[in-house]
Order: sequence, then C-alpha cells, then structure tokens
Amino acid sequence: DARVTQTPRHKVTEMGQEVTMRCQPILGHNTVFWYRQTMMQGLELLAYFRNRAPLDDSGMPKDRFSAEMPDATLATLKIQPSEPRDSAVYFCASGLLWGHHNEQFFGPGTRLTVL
Amino acid sequence: SQKIEQNSEALNIQEGKTATLTCNYTNYSPAYLQWYRQDPGRGPVFLLLIRENEKEKRKERLKVTFDTTLKQSLFHITASQPADSATYLCALDENDKIIFGKGTRLHILP
Repeated sequence: DARVTQTPRHKVTEMGQEVTMRCQPILGHNTVFWYRQTMMQGLELLAYFRNRAPLDDSGMPKDRFSAEMPDATLATLKIQPSEPRDSAVYFCASGLLWGHHNEQFFGPGTRLTVL
Repeated sequence: SQKIEQNSEALNIQEGKTATLTCNYTNYSPAYLQWYRQDPGRGPVFLLLIRENEKEKRKERLKVTFDTTLKQSLFHITASQPADSATYLCALDENDKIIFGKGTRLHILP
C-alpha cells in the first residue's frame, strides 16, 4: 500500500534553530507539494515541484524557508532560523498530474513547535 | 485571487440523516473541485473530484454537486454514521495549484 512518508512526526525546537523536514513521495508521482496547516489559516500551499523542478514557492517566506528535491524519492523543507510563528503542522503531498486530475496523497505531517 | 468559503461552525447531524456541507468560491469557476476528509492528527484524504462540466458525482454514500452559476459545491453524505465524523475540506485549482478551504467539522451523533 503506497503512501507518502514524512519525518520527523513531531519536532520541538527553540527559536533560532534550524529545522529540516523530510518527505518521501509515492514512487512514480511527478508532483510534490508542501503545505502548512494552522487553525487560523487552514491549509496553505508553501511550494510545489513537478518532475523535481520547483514550480512555485510564492507561499513561502523566502528569507528563512527553503524547499528542495535532491532526488525523486526525497523532498526537504528547511527553516533557518525558526521562529515561534512557524509552529504548525507541515504536510507533504504527492500526486500524478495528468489532464485535469490532481488528486493529492498526503503524508501524516510533521508537527513543529518552536519555543 | 480565489477565496474559498466553508462553514466554520461545526455541523451536528443525527445518525442516519443526510449531512450537507457547502463550499463557495468567489472568482472564476475552476476546472475542477475536490473534496477531502481529514481526521484529527492525520493528513487529508481525497474523496471525490468533480469537473466544471459535471453537475453531480456519486461514490457510495457520497454525492457532490457543482453549480458554476452559484459558484458553489455541495457535499452530501447519506445515511450518515458516527464514523463519518471528521473535517471535510473543499479544494479547487488555481493556476495549476490546488488551494483549500479551511474545512467544516462534521459530528454525526449516535
């Protein structure tokens, strides 16, 4: 049963520290998304990749966030330096984009707490 | 940019009745609209997709409608069960991205 995996599941860190979140998309999917979910804002798109190329990262604070896809089996989201307002659940999702189909398969999320 | 509005208040429905959730959008009609289910502590799970040229789509006890004139989609769960209790998110495409509503929490009361 193919699924998206994310590590770590939980992360507590102090303000100013670097945080790296990892995602393994479903094998064969050509599109990978990073989302952030908070009670106030809901699910916000931070960045996405197609065929490993970054297509849009306009939802990301560029001064501290970076997203990469070093190979087809790994996507990373890094925050440096982290701030308390970054506390949220971060989801990775992958999909096989074709035609008008864009069903996304979400990972379990990384719950980040920045103290 | 597109805004998606879902009822932020929780919806309480008696078991066995039909639950109806609403998703409204503000601007142009999207090529398609999706509904996802999210349980606490988990990622959203895809349920149904409906295209702009489709009026209705069904899957087991689920039914989705899409009215481009009203700029609205309705999501129905018939013969609701306590296991249907979750948050339901509406999502639509915008410039090749998917944007989500904040979701409506549904409680099915036994």
